[in-house]
Amino acid sequence: SQQGEEDPQALSIQEGENATMNCSYKTSINNLQWYRQNSGRGLVHLILIRSNEREKHSGRLRVTLDTSKKSSSLLITASRAADTASYFCATGRYGNKLVFGAGTILRVKS
Amino acid sequence: DAGVIQSPRHEVTEMGQEVTLRCKPISGHNSLFWYRQTMMRGLELLIYFNNNVPIDDSGMPEDRFSAKMPNASFSTLKIQPSEPRDSAVYFCASSLSKSGSLNNEQFFGPGTRLTVL
Repeated sequence: SQQGEEDPQALSIQEGENATMNCSYKTSINNLQWYRQNSGRGLVHLILIRSNEREKHSGRLRVTLDTSKKSSSLLITASRAADTASYFCATGRYGNKLVFGAGTILRVKS
Repeated sequence: DAGVIQSPRHEVTEMGQEVTLRCKPISGHNSLFWYRQTMMRGLELLIYFNNNVPIDDSGMPEDRFSAKMPNASFSTLKIQPSEPRDSAVYFCASSLSKSGSLNNEQFFGPGTRLTVL
C-alpha cells in the first residue's frame, strides 16, 4: 500500500486564495518531500522537510511536519493560475527510495 | 544542464512486441529510478540503481520487465513481451546521493507514454 496519502483528492480555488493540502503516512520516515506535476510533464521537486524539522518555507510554500501524527501539510499562499497542477507527497524511509502518495489535483481559477 | 532525458517520448506498439525505454540521467548523479504512472495505481517505483548497481527491484511487476544500467550515463527499461496492461507513462529520475544523507531530491525526466494495443 502507498505510504503517503494526500487529502483532499481535488481542490478548486480562486486565484489569490491559499491552498492547503495534507499528507498522512504510516511508518517512521527520514524525510518528507513535496513534488508538483503539471499535466503531461514529469514531477518537479518543491521542498524537503527532515524528520527533525517541524516547519519549512520556500517562497509562497510552507510545509509543516508532525511526526507524532504522521502527517504533513503543504500551504501555497496567494495562489496563481500557474499553480494549477497535481501535488504529491513522498516519504523517504531507507536507502534512496521514495514512496509517493496518490496526489492532490489543484485547480486555481483566474 | 539538460536535465534527465528520456526516449522515446511516445511509443505505440502491439501486444507481444518488445519495448525498450531509454534514460540519460543528469551528469554526476549516482542514483537512477524507474517509475510507472497510471490513473489506477498512481506512481509506482519499479527499480532503482545506486552507482549503476540495482538496489531494489521489488516493484518490477514480473519477469517480462528488465532494467539495465551499463554505465553512469545510460539506463534502459525493457518489456518483452508487452501487454495492453503495460500501457502507462514511464518516468526516469535521478538524484545525487551524498554520503551520510538519505532520500535526496529526485529530478524527473519528461516521461515516455507507452500504449500497447
